[in-house]
Amino acid sequence: GQNIDQPTEMTATEGAIVQINCTYQTSGFNGLFWYQQHAGEAPTFLSYNVLDGLEEKGRFSSFLSRSKGYSYLLLKELQMKDSASYLCAVRSLEYGNKLVFGAGTILRVKS
Amino acid sequence: NAGVMQNPRHLVRRRGQEARLRCSPMKGHSHVYWYRQLPEEGLKFMVYLQKENIIDESGMPKERFSAEFPKEGPSILRIQQVVRGDSAAYFCASSPSEGTYEQYFGPGTRLTVT
Repeated sequence: GQNIDQPTEMTATEGAIVQINCTYQTSGFNGLFWYQQHAGEAPTFLSYNVLDGLEEKGRFSSFLSRSKGYSYLLLKELQMKDSASYLCAVRSLEYGNKLVFGAGTILRVKS
Repeated sequence: NAGVMQNPRHLVRRRGQEARLRCSPMKGHSHVYWYRQLPEEGLKFMVYLQKENIIDESGMPKERFSAEFPKEGPSILRIQQVVRGDSAAYFCASSPSEGTYEQYFGPGTRLTVT
């Protein structure tokens, strides 16, 4: 996506913690979203941040720093079913308030 | 509470044919978004529609592609004279209003052009 960067692939072990980073550059920032997408399936909403700080939802947490143009998705107690692509998406006035997605990070969880 | 529905789930077309992809938003949702996803790539925005209006089509190719969301019935993404490069997964998402932050995605239509 436009100026949205995230690692291409990551590998982690079942039961561990993994952090997936996302950096962005835009003016008129208006929210950052994380989606999970299993192969061949639709993206499903995970989290939304518009203010700085950490949002926790079960095993998943998402952090945002607007001044740094930085977010991360934290997955705890990894399970095999967490193997998927994780998409970071940004909404901003620059983009006409539509969602612009990064290329996604493929997470592989190994036993 | 039915989610976003798309049909067909898989569509095969020969080069030069037309492809019609349908999307029924979630009940109560009046905003529809279409995205295209190529293998190993992220979702690319194509068009944003409300009932009977195209709000933003900045991601739509200028030729051969069109979209509509009529007052009654599903939203339709139409691709005329398809070429091999149109082969992709096309996802539709809906939201109740523009201000609502969450978009709900349908299962996608996988278009293959032979």
